[in-house]
Amino acid sequence: DAGVIQSPRHEVTEMGQEVTLRCKPISGHDYLFWYRQTMMRGLELLIYFNNNVPIDDSGMPEDRFSAKMPNASFSTLKIQPSEPRDSAVYFCASSKSREYEQYFGPGTRLTVT
Amino acid sequence: KQEVTQIPAALSVPEGENLVLNCSFTDSAIYNLQWFRQDPGKGLTSLLLIQSSQREQTSGRLNASLDKSSGRSTLYIAASQPGDSATYLCAADNFNKFYFGSGTKLNVKP
Repeated sequence: DAGVIQSPRHEVTEMGQEVTLRCKPISGHDYLFWYRQTMMRGLELLIYFNNNVPIDDSGMPEDRFSAKMPNASFSTLKIQPSEPRDSAVYFCASSKSREYEQYFGPGTRLTVT
Repeated sequence: KQEVTQIPAALSVPEGENLVLNCSFTDSAIYNLQWFRQDPGKGLTSLLLIQSSQREQTSGRLNASLDKSSGRSTLYIAASQPGDSATYLCAADNFNKFYFGSGTKLNVKP
């Protein structure tokens, strides 16, 4: 298996622009997680899905953030409008179930100027 | 709210030494606890996952223990190697909530 795939790997955008991050989980995994990592706040869970249904989105910082999972093989995290404080590395992870390990993608490094 | 703490924040040891990394959590009602390693500029790699009903898990030179009553987990690395240098994070699964520690940055000197 190719593992969790994220795109783009790097994104540089100007404040106010819309940003869309993409994730393809490992086939057969029922759980998908979106995380954000910064030096100041460490690793934070933003939202996670089970069988394409959002279970907990309490980590989504503001209404500017939204996430979707239209099918079992694809998810997006959208920021609109983006702000400089959104600059971070965004990770997507997936797992078979709660009893199994989470597998992380390589991350998307987002820079908002 | 669950708080996960990892001490020390950084650790430097000579090659070959056995070492222990610590993870403490404030809410013992966890579903499981997972240990990860993160190399610079990379994503996280899962090392070990301990279910709440388990006391420990082993994989090669790694052994992770879990003591829910005291709110502690430890990751034991035997015969450390320079390739073990990375940041190690623990994460608690609190039944619909996941909390990560800030990590211990390990440097194993040749």
